[in-house]
Amino acid sequence: EAGVAQSPRYKIIEKRQSVAFWCNPISGHATLYWYQQILGQGPKLLIQFQNNGVVDDSQLPKDRFSAERLKGVDSTLKIQPAKLEDSAVYLCASSYGPEQYFGPGTRLTVT
Amino acid sequence: AQSVAQPEDQVNVAEGNPLTVKCTYSVSGNPYLFWYVQYPNRGLQFLLKYITGDNLVKGSYGFEAEFNKSQTSFHLKKPSALVSDSALYFCAVRAPANQAGTALIFGKGTTLSVSS
Repeated sequence: EAGVAQSPRYKIIEKRQSVAFWCNPISGHATLYWYQQILGQGPKLLIQFQNNGVVDDSQLPKDRFSAERLKGVDSTLKIQPAKLEDSAVYLCASSYGPEQYFGPGTRLTVT
Repeated sequence: AQSVAQPEDQVNVAEGNPLTVKCTYSVSGNPYLFWYVQYPNRGLQFLLKYITGDNLVKGSYGFEAEFNKSQTSFHLKKPSALVSDSALYFCAVRAPANQAGTALIFGKGTTLSVSS
């Protein structure tokens, strides 16, 4: 069974630029999550999708972050404009049951 | 509000010795509890979960965890540590299934270092 795929693996941008991350969940997993993991901390939820609908986006900084999951499969997370404090690893996870399965993450560095 | 505490930033053990990584939680209702492991430059890997039933749950790579409701703890254990177990370990909790959001709340992580 293929795991959660994410791209790119690494991205370096300057502040005020925009960036997008892509996630392909495990086949058949209806629930998809985006987490932000800042160095030295545990992951924190940004947004949760159930199929192509948003379940929880209460912690998403909506003035600069956006996410979509068209057709209930792949998802894209965008940051525009980026700030220095957005430097982190962005993890995508998917689930069918209680446990979530994580992708390798995208390490974003904002300079 | 839900929360998870991992009181130790780092745990050091010698290979072959038993290991324990501590976790306490705060959640209303019956919790779903998880342990994940993270190796450098890789995503989180699921180790084990507690939903209901036997308080001692067994997971991948010889790890197990004991759920203690009175102490609100879910400590990760392994009888005999391996050098290859050295990694960053996260405890996580989520709300019961009757709540809409099922995202995980993570602790800050504990670095396990196993020496040969």
